[in-house]
Amino acid sequence: EDQVTQSPEALRLQEGESSSLNCSYTVSGLRGLFWYRQDPGKGPEFLFTLYSAGEEKEKERLKATLTKKESFLHITAPKPEDSATYLCAVQGLFSGGYNKLIFGAGTRLAVHP
Amino acid sequence: DVKVTQSSRYLVKRTGEKVFLECVQDMDHENMFWYRQDPGLGLRLIYFSYDVKMKEKGDIPEGYSVSREKKERFSLILESASTNQTSMYLCASSPRGQGRHEQYFGPGTRLTVT
Repeated sequence: EDQVTQSPEALRLQEGESSSLNCSYTVSGLRGLFWYRQDPGKGPEFLFTLYSAGEEKEKERLKATLTKKESFLHITAPKPEDSATYLCAVQGLFSGGYNKLIFGAGTRLAVHP
Repeated sequence: DVKVTQSSRYLVKRTGEKVFLECVQDMDHENMFWYRQDPGLGLRLIYFSYDVKMKEKGDIPEGYSVSREKKERFSLILESASTNQTSMYLCASSPRGQGRHEQYFGPGTRLTVT
């Protein structure tokens, strides 16, 4: 069964203190791994798609990396506006053409000035 | 930019009422999805549709139905609302093929059933 586990559940950082969020997955053939950002009371906002081990994507202070078992979302010198819940999701080869995703429970990030 | 809109941000209904949640996307995506999101349970797929008039059950379809009469519009129906359907409801859309598989989400509808 396809499964996604994110850690930690919550993370508190000081402004400028870099850290990483983890997404471990088991899937019957990875078609894609996705990172989303979700602000309180809003829908998830798409950040990155990673397709194969070794791939990296960057956007501002965020950098996502992928191995065969996990993905990391690295946050460099975070600012308070980076505070949000970060969701990881995977799509397996057997999701067909429907692009079904399996989501992790998310990591709540709080960045304090 | 992809835009997914949902008919209401907040909705309060009484137990037993029939509830309609509407979702519209403007990117000509084939696939559309309805999720509910609850604290500690994450995002759970209720139903999805891969074409007009086509639908498939997700992980938690009980108590819900859906309708897709036009490509851009996907409706979630609670036939007889119950208090355990109080939740945040999220709609998403996704293209089919073309090497792109990400889903784009709407702003969500916070439904309270009293």
